[in-house]
Amino acid sequence: AQKVTQAQTEISVVEKEDVTLDCVYETRDTTYYLFWYKQPPSGELVFLIRRNSFDEQNEISGRYSWNFQKSTSSFNFTITASQVVDSAVYFCALSASNDYKLSFGAGTTVTVRA
Amino acid sequence: DVKVTQSSRYLVKRTGEKVFLECVQDMDHENMFWYRQDPGLGLRLIYFSYDVKMKEKGDIPEGYSVSREKKERFSLILESASTNQTSMYLCASSLSFSYEQYFGPGTRLTVT
Repeated sequence: AQKVTQAQTEISVVEKEDVTLDCVYETRDTTYYLFWYKQPPSGELVFLIRRNSFDEQNEISGRYSWNFQKSTSSFNFTITASQVVDSAVYFCALSASNDYKLSFGAGTTVTVRA
Repeated sequence: DVKVTQSSRYLVKRTGEKVFLECVQDMDHENMFWYRQDPGLGLRLIYFSYDVKMKEKGDIPEGYSVSREKKERFSLILESASTNQTSMYLCASSLSFSYEQYFGPGTRLTVT
């Protein structure tokens, strides 16, 4: 069985602060994929990143960065210098290789105040 | 850019009505999915399709059916809408299994 835990329900920060979202996963598969999605108030889930289990390199994309640590089964997401437009619900998700099912975490609501 | 469109953003239907939710993707993706999203329950998979005319039940298929007659189109059907089907419905598509899913804007359905 696969499980994704996002322990932080809500995070509130002031603009320009950094914010880190935690994601811990459980799987018995040796090959799997991890994802992050953003859901702004408009409702549409926006794909941010896909990572496979063999690639533990950290990734940076603009103000976003991801830290994948297989040893702790974590795939954390950091927003640097947050902006009001970053306010959204962020979901971490997991998929085993060749599996249709995408297991989502419960989501973390990020509120960035001006 | 992948584009997934859904027929309506907001829909209000009466109990017992037959409801059609349409989803279209323009990237020739093999797989298409229907989810519903409810506060406190997260995203739950209703049905998915891996090819034209092929479908598989997800976690909560009861009360729903689907149709995929063309590769780009995946319809969700509520045969007889009930108030407990009031929800946000999200359609998604992906190139193949384990690839990222791209989501449509969602349809907020209210059944009264």
